[in-house]
Amino acid sequence: GDKVKQSPSALSLQEGTNSALRCNFSIAATTVQWFLQNPRGSLINLFYLVPGTKENGRLKSAFDSKESYSTLHIRDAQLEDSGTYFCAAGEDNAGAKLTFGGGTRLTVRP
Amino acid sequence: DPKIIQKPKYLVAVTGSEKILICEQYLGHNAMYWYRQSAKKPLEFMFSYSYQKLMDNQTASSRFQPQSSKKNHLDLQITALKPDDSATYFCASRVGGQDTQYFGPGTRLLVL
Repeated sequence: GDKVKQSPSALSLQEGTNSALRCNFSIAATTVQWFLQNPRGSLINLFYLVPGTKENGRLKSAFDSKESYSTLHIRDAQLEDSGTYFCAAGEDNAGAKLTFGGGTRLTVRP
Repeated sequence: DPKIIQKPKYLVAVTGSEKILICEQYLGHNAMYWYRQSAKKPLEFMFSYSYQKLMDNQTASSRFQPQSSKKNHLDLQITALKPDDSATYFCASRVGGQDTQYFGPGTRLLVL
């Protein structure tokens, strides 16, 4: 099965609303990265996390390695937040390779 | 200025041919990686290099060969191209240890 499972796979939000994306890990993730892939295809770094939380503007992310999940909260969604969000897990003994989830495609509607 | 350069941006190849994808990073990082994103699969790890040495290879096929001529270069040679190789190939780098991986803009390969 999927080593990194993201949910939901797709999401449509009204501008100004809030939402949460989730990743569940079936591998022993020790770090998590969150990316936004914009419509041009570029992967934009959002967060790098060890267990704990981080916040940057309207985005907040948490990583719980014991419960094997991570979340990304989007507050006051804007049109430019549209794109595909990926989480990726790093493992201690895996040579720093990232294992990606399948992504959440987010559409923000005016 | 872009800190990770991938060339070319787009590439069209015929089945059976050989291509080289270029990656250069100007972040001063010691570790470099290749990932692939296709329509059928999520982003998947291919190779990792540290100080120009191969650390991990998750690519089943020997048709994919990374080449590191300089510390900040990690090219990807693909031989005997197949239509299934059509994908966007991303190069990434990291300073080392527990830290963020940064991704280049990708090379979109189409094999006809």
